[in-house]
Parts: sequence; C-alpha cells; structure tokens
Amino acid sequence: DQQVKQNSPSLSVQEGRISILNCDYTNSMFDYFLWYKKYPAEGPTFLISISSIKDKNEDGRFTVFLNKSAKHLSLHIVPSQPGDSAVYFCAASGGNTGKLIFGQGTTLQVKP
Amino acid sequence: EPEVTQTPSHQVTQMGQEVILRCVPISNHLYFYWYRQILGQKVEFLVSFYNNEISEKSEIFDDQFSVERPDGSNFTLKIRSTKLEDSAMYFCASSRQGGATNEKLFFGSGTQLSVL
Repeated sequence: DQQVKQNSPSLSVQEGRISILNCDYTNSMFDYFLWYKKYPAEGPTFLISISSIKDKNEDGRFTVFLNKSAKHLSLHIVPSQPGDSAVYFCAASGGNTGKLIFGQGTTLQVKP
Repeated sequence: EPEVTQTPSHQVTQMGQEVILRCVPISNHLYFYWYRQILGQKVEFLVSFYNNEISEKSEIFDDQFSVERPDGSNFTLKIRSTKLEDSAMYFCASSRQGGATNEKLFFGSGTQLSVL
C-alpha cells in the first residue's frame, strides 16, 4: 500500500538555507494533508497542514504547497536551523474517517 | 500544553504472552487511535475508537488485538498472544473530532514493544 510516498529517505542542507521535502499521493479521495516531525524516542509532532481547497499554507518558517493535479505536496523550511534536524512524515486523510496514511518519512539533517 | 501520555515506554515480553499498552489521551478529545511503526518502516494505522466502540480497523488489527477504554481517562491496546512480528513502536493518538475534515491527531511518545 503506497498511497503516500516520500521518495527521498534523507536530505542534508546547510543552516540558513531552504529545506524542501516532497510527498506524492495516489488517492484522489484525500482532502487533508499534514506534516509531522519526529525526534528519536518521541512520537510524531504536528507541524503544519493544508486542506485540499487551498494550494498554500504558511506558518512562520514553514510553508506547505499542494498541487492537486500532480497529487504532490511539499514542505519548505526557510531558513533551516540545526534544531529542525528530525524525521519528517507526510500524512493524508480523507472521507471523514480521521485515519491518517503516512509516508515513509524523510530524515532531514541541517548542518551548522 | 496537554499531551497524550503512554506507559510503559519500553515493554519486553516472551512470544505467546499477553501485553497491555496503556495510554491517557488528551482529556477533551473524543477519538482515539493506535498506530505502530516497525523499525525502518512506515507509521501504520491499527485502529480508531469512538464512543466506546471501534470505528475503523486495519488488516493488521486481527483477533489477537483488542482495545478498551476501561474508565474515563485510559485507552488500552491488548495483544493476546504476542508474535515476534509484533515487535514495534506503538503510538497512541487522540483528536477532538475524528470524523471531521482538517482534524489533526496528537501522538504520544510511544511504547517500544520487544517480543523475544
């Protein structure tokens, strides 16, 4: 079941630069998309979300872009900070179930 | 800030034994979930629970699994006869409205289950 895919297992960027994490989905019933951040030995922490009626949502250094026609979303972090180093999960839900389908995660390393 | 709490943080058990993983969801939340993550794999949905009954479950959630809300605060996951492949990190989550669009889930820190 590969309904949500994060094709890059890892990403390394320099502090202060932009981090771009990508996510693709296949199920056109998904109408809500979320990004979670996870540190080792902790649970996923909600970061930012976007509804399918929008194409962009911004919260401070974090912006999520949604391209419904391409079934693609991305998370931009700018400027990146060393504390942003974590695993980032893309997740999707739809059909009023509340259930989230997660991608495999991308490990972001921000180098000082 | 309110949070979902899970106990224990680590659980080691012998194959065939029963385990109960415990969770205290956020107090005003109505929907509860269990997810798991096998090492190196995705976070996978197991079950959702609302109004004292299961609202949805995955193929993973077979007869060996059960959930319960024994009182007004706890939410438990029981595995009756553990198998080696049940070894994973189990996450509890809760939300205010599970069936609504734009509803985010809040996750606990997880219980690492090791079946020997």
